[in-house]
Amino acid sequence: AQSVSQHNHHVILSEAASLELGCNYSYGGTVNLFWYVQYPGQHLQLLLKYFSGDPLVKGIKGFEAEFIKSKFSFNLRKPSVQWSDTAEYFCAVLTRGGNDMRFGAGTRLTVKP
Amino acid sequence: GAGVSQSPRYKVAKRGQDVALRCDPISGHVSLFWYQQALGQGPEFLTYFQNEAQLDKSGLPSDRFFAERPEGSVSTLKIQRTQQEDSAVYLCASSLVGGQLLYEQYFGPGTRLTVT
Repeated sequence: AQSVSQHNHHVILSEAASLELGCNYSYGGTVNLFWYVQYPGQHLQLLLKYFSGDPLVKGIKGFEAEFIKSKFSFNLRKPSVQWSDTAEYFCAVLTRGGNDMRFGAGTRLTVKP
Repeated sequence: GAGVSQSPRYKVAKRGQDVALRCDPISGHVSLFWYQQALGQGPEFLTYFQNEAQLDKSGLPSDRFFAERPEGSVSTLKIQRTQQEDSAVYLCASSLVGGQLLYEQYFGPGTRLTVT
C-alpha cells in the first residue's frame, strides 16, 4: 500500500545537537514532498518543500531536507537545534496529479535547554 | 488575521448526534481540503474542492460524512449520526491554485471533535 513512514516517534535532543528525522515513502512516479511543523498550540506550518530541481532543499529556521529518489527518502536535517524547535514534525507526499496529500504519523521533537 | 479559520474549535457530541464543522479559507484561495487527524497520527485526506466543485471525496470514511462549499468560499463538513470512532481533529486547508499546478496548502487550527 502507498504510505509515508517516519522512523522516529519521539526524539529528545539537547540544544546545539544535530537533528535528522527520517521519512520514506512508497509511491512510484513523480512526487512533491513536504515537511510540516506544528509548534505546541499552533497550526501546521510548511517548513520546506521539494517539487523539482536541486534535491537539497533549504527551508525556514535553518532546516534542510534531501530528496534521494533511489531511496524514496526525504530526510529532514538541522545542524544545531534550539529549544524553540520543540514541536511535532510531519512528512507529507503529494503525487503529481493527485489531490490527496499523504502524511506520515509525525515525529515529536523535544529539545532540552 | 488572513489565515484559515475554523469553528468551533472544540465540539463535544453525544453518539448519534449530527455535527457541522465550518472552515473559512484564505480569501481568494481556489482549493480547499479537509483532513481528519486521529490522536497520535498524521492528518488523513478526506475531500477536496476546487471552487464550489467537490472534485475528490475518496477519503470520506462513510456516507455519514458530507462536505459542501456552495459558493466556492466557506466550507462545511457535516457528520451525521456521530460515532465514537469519529473523535478526531478535523483540519481544513486552502491553497491558491489547484489541479495539476504545484501549490502550498495553508492549514487552519482544526476542530477537535469528541464523541461521547
